[in-house]
Amino acid sequence: GDSVTQMEGPVTLSEEAFLTINCTYTATGYPSLFWYVQYPGEGLQLLLKATKADDKGSNKGFEATYRKETTSFHLEKGSVQVSDSAVYFCALSDNTGGFKTIFGAGTRLFVKA
Amino acid sequence: GAGVSQSPSNKVTEKGKDVELRCDPISGHTALYWYRQSLGQGLEFLIYFQGNSAPDKSGLPSDRFSAERTGGSVSTLTIQRTQQEDSAVYLCASSQNRQGSYNEQFFGPGTRLTVL
Repeated sequence: GDSVTQMEGPVTLSEEAFLTINCTYTATGYPSLFWYVQYPGEGLQLLLKATKADDKGSNKGFEATYRKETTSFHLEKGSVQVSDSAVYFCALSDNTGGFKTIFGAGTRLFVKA
Repeated sequence: GAGVSQSPSNKVTEKGKDVELRCDPISGHTALYWYRQSLGQGLEFLIYFQGNSAPDKSGLPSDRFSAERTGGSVSTLTIQRTQQEDSAVYLCASSQNRQGSYNEQFFGPGTRLTVL
């Protein structure tokens, strides 16, 4: 079945460092891909999305490119801030009949001032 | 417009008691999901309702857990004979889930369940 694998955390960075959180997926079809974020004490919310190969999702300085050839959707940010400290979840949504969304295990990011 | 709402926001119960958690999805969303998130852990999928199809119950951890969705809208997650390991935040999410949409999930604030 479909699955999502993302790098284990926690990831600890200093402010202004470059961030990469790896995410790879397994899917039989052509899913939509998502990154969700959960800030401390808050609910999950969508960060960015991409619906087809080579699409780049972007929001709040974060980017991720849908790479069909490597089945990846790595999250990147050029310069992290303390306020980016959160848990990040990679997810896919099957766009065929089931439409079920599958989440990765989440990666906790700590950014130090 | 209104988002996904869940009630109660907090529930403290004694071991062995039954609890009911409620989720009101966004109007018009055909899909509804329940997840469990233990402290510091990821999302554990519990159950998925999509329109009038039979629910996907593959994530329910035991037969003490059940859920229903009435009229394609409100959902109730029931945990019978609660155990201490059931303590967690229970999250509900809904999405449109139709061809041509992104199928973004909108999450409720969660119900924090504590079993003493």
